[in-house]
Amino acid sequence: DTGVSQDPRHKITKRGQNVTFRCDPISEHNRLYWYRQTLGQGPEFLTYFQNEAQLEKSRLLSDRFSAERPKGSFSTLEIQRTEQGDSAMYLCASSPSAGSSYNEQFFGPGTRLTVL
Amino acid sequence: EDKVVQSPLSLVVHEGDTVTLNCSYEVTNFRSLLWYKQEKKAPTFLFMLTSSGIEKKSGRLSSILDKKELFSILNITATQTGDSAVYLCAVALYGGSQGNLIFGKGTKLSVKP
Repeated sequence: DTGVSQDPRHKITKRGQNVTFRCDPISEHNRLYWYRQTLGQGPEFLTYFQNEAQLEKSRLLSDRFSAERPKGSFSTLEIQRTEQGDSAMYLCASSPSAGSSYNEQFFGPGTRLTVL
Repeated sequence: EDKVVQSPLSLVVHEGDTVTLNCSYEVTNFRSLLWYKQEKKAPTFLFMLTSSGIEKKSGRLSSILDKKELFSILNITATQTGDSAVYLCAVALYGGSQGNLIFGKGTKLSVKP
């Protein structure tokens, strides 16, 4: 399967704990995006990388959130001191950085986080 | 503030019906508009539109963009139960926010047998 993969698919944690999610993009895509989606809403942008450089962060990305893409391949999203309001589906997407498919972002299956 | 508005928010039809989903936008530096289908999991890409008046078609689905009136429609003909999903509209921008897509809330389509 050459699509975007995410791990884990589901995570249940207690408030105050730290969690880390992983995303593996489509191998030839050098752009990688993180979104958050809550029930009844469209995905909301969190941050994106071009290769290993983090080029943009949303104001939704509080200090408790950090994302990395150290080698320009997979990415991790960490949430520290989780709160119940962090419960959501965390989606990762990837795209090429140039060409006609520039904006065609392909999404992974998501990680559903539940904070108790 | 950039925004994307979809209507209706939900729709129930019977198999064989034709449906039209609407997406309007107010953004600066519009680059393209994308439609996605979301079932239980991740959004799957349907269409990307950049030019006004040019219809994109894939089987029973088609979409068109009007950059003057700032909207797009997604048509589905001869609907099937497998078309039941949330349809998301998103806009991509040029410039400083070119890294992300701005999504609407989606239209939840339910197709009854």
